Amino acid sequence: ETGVTQSPTHLIKTRGQQVTLRCSSQSGHNTVSWYQQALGQGPQFIFQYYREEENGRGNFPPRFSGLQFPNYSSELNVNALELDDSALYLCASSFRGALYNEQFFGPGTRLTVL
Amino acid sequence: AQTVTQSQPEMSVQEAETVTLSCTYDTSESDYYLFWYKQPPSRQMILVIRQEAYKQQNATENRFSVNFQKAAKSFSLKISDSQLGDAAMYFCAYRSARGANNLFFGTGTRLTVIP
Repeated sequence: ETGVTQSPTHLIKTRGQQVTLRCSSQSGHNTVSWYQQALGQGPQFIFQYYREEENGRGNFPPRFSGLQFPNYSSELNVNALELDDSALYLCASSFRGALYNEQFFGPGTRLTVL
Repeated sequence: AQTVTQSQPEMSVQEAETVTLSCTYDTSESDYYLFWYKQPPSRQMILVIRQEAYKQQNATENRFSVNFQKAAKSFSLKISDSQLGDAAMYFCAYRSARGANNLFFGTGTRLTVIP
């Protein structure tokens, strides 16, 4: 069973640029959630995708957008990067319908905005 | 909105001893789940233990157990026989039993295990 994978591991961008982060969900999972974890903080929910549609969103501006593909992998796109977007971005997959609908996390992408 | 509070930024424990990490939360819901996650330096969040709010019995997983006080909205984690591999950031998290299954996390407690 393949776990959740994310790419790239690290990324450096400059303010104003755009970035795309990728996530492959665990085999058999149909839901993907994205979290932002600033340094020294707990993860904060960005949004969730189920069946290729957004299914819940946290308090993040529209420049944070996403996609889910038919194979349940996902992308997180951030436009007009700001310095405060520097963080660890975590992806988590789950299977809606499972007993606990538990989320399994990937290792994250560390984004640095200069 | 649900909030999760961890008031201990850092804790330390001697190897083989017991340590308790504290967590409180605020919610108006009656049905929810509570979790403790471990995040080692490798950054990958690992589920340590889960508690369903409708269950009065405290969850246990080997050396890990919780003290769930629903009325007080308290959810502490006890680690017994601490091992060097337990050193990590520990996050308490809340999830509603309805709607999207997104998690609300606390700010974490860094646990150091002293040999």
